[in-house]
Amino acid sequence: DVVLTQSPLSLPVTLGQPASISCRSSQSLLFSDGNTYLIWFQQRPGQSPRRLIYQVSKRDSGVPDRFSGSGSGTDFTLKISRVEAEDVGVYYCMQGTHWPPHTFGQGTKLEMK
Amino acid sequence: QVHLGESGGGVVQPGTSRGLSCTGSGFTFSNYPMHWVRQAPGKGLEWVALISYDGTTQYYTDSVKGRFTISRDNSKNTLYLQMNSLRAEDTAVYYCVRDMSDWGPGTLVTVSS
Repeated sequence: DVVLTQSPLSLPVTLGQPASISCRSSQSLLFSDGNTYLIWFQQRPGQSPRRLIYQVSKRDSGVPDRFSGSGSGTDFTLKISRVEAEDVGVYYCMQGTHWPPHTFGQGTKLEMK
Repeated sequence: QVHLGESGGGVVQPGTSRGLSCTGSGFTFSNYPMHWVRQAPGKGLEWVALISYDGTTQYYTDSVKGRFTISRDNSKNTLYLQMNSLRAEDTAVYYCVRDMSDWGPGTLVTVSS
């Protein structure tokens, strides 16, 4: 199974400052069709997960442009350009290239300093 | 607007069975593969099962193979998860997920004597 390793697991941030989360895969996530099926989800406290980014860097409808995804192969990053209070929660990466099973990272908890 | 709603959660004894349902609306249900994903209390996300858009193909995570069955009735826009031989470690919020994009609010299954 593909293992996704996120870092850091805890991310204290200051309002208005940038934040970055890393997701490293045990195998390349490049699929034979040329796409890379790496997704980022946000889970706010008490809520269901919400997809933010799919195929590494494509932002979902309604997702603020302060969120961006990048990377290739085995190394991926979610960046928030300027953190807002509503961004508090847990962020998960997930791969849909080598399945079953679809696998998730452990989650990164973003909180305000 | 996509809407997913799970039902069927509750407290069950170890070794018993429980069935979950998820009804979808706001989209053409029969066009999309559907997943079940679970989250144990205070823990991360774990993919459980996937069913193809037409219900002909199913995939499971190893820990539930032979115990859980995913199915769907496209005429009723409904996804199912039949869970047998339940264990304490199956305790979780179970989410239905459309094509790894849209999530329901989840339903809590607690396996306890």
